[in-house]
Amino acid sequence: DAGVIQSPRHEVTEMGQEVTLRCKPISGHNSLFWYRQTMMRGLELLIYFNNNVPIDDSGMPEDRFSAKMPNASFSTLKIQPSEPRDSAVYFCASRDPGEETQYFGPGTRLLVL
Amino acid sequence: QQPVQSPQAVILREGEDAVINCSSSKALYSVHWYRQKHGEAPVFLMILLKGGEQKGHEKISASFNEKKQQSSLYLTASQLSYSGTYFCGTESGSARQLTFGSGTQLTVLP
Repeated sequence: DAGVIQSPRHEVTEMGQEVTLRCKPISGHNSLFWYRQTMMRGLELLIYFNNNVPIDDSGMPEDRFSAKMPNASFSTLKIQPSEPRDSAVYFCASRDPGEETQYFGPGTRLLVL
Repeated sequence: QQPVQSPQAVILREGEDAVINCSSSKALYSVHWYRQKHGEAPVFLMILLKGGEQKGHEKISASFNEKKQQSSLYLTASQLSYSGTYFCGTESGSARQLTFGSGTQLTVLP
């Protein structure tokens, strides 16, 4: 299997611009997680989907952040408008319904200037 | 609430042993251990489930003390490849999601 796929791998944008991060989970996995990692705050869960339905979005920082999962093989995390404090590495992870393990994608390194 | 990891950082010589601890104030269902190398994604090492046995593979093993809500990761005869940041992720209650500790940076020197 190809593993979790994320795009883009790197994104540099200016404050105020819209940013869209993409994730393709491992085929057959029905849970998907979006995390943000920074030096200050560590690895934080932003939102968690199960069978394409958002289960817990309490980690989403504010209304500028939104996430969707229109089908089992694709999810997006959107930031609009972006701010410099959003600079971080954003990871997507997926999990098989019969397992406990989460498999992480390579991450998107976002820099907002 | 975020689990607490200790120590924050440790430096070893190749062949030495290390222990990394993870504790939570919540009743835990499971503890997951991951290792992350610089610039890469976290990679799953092992999981310990409530009521389960101590896990291990190669020279890395872990234990889970359910009464104390603590887990420890044991690295024996460390190798250079063990360098990285180790995170514990805890799962409590019915929410099948992980809360990660702040990480322990492990450096193995030749």
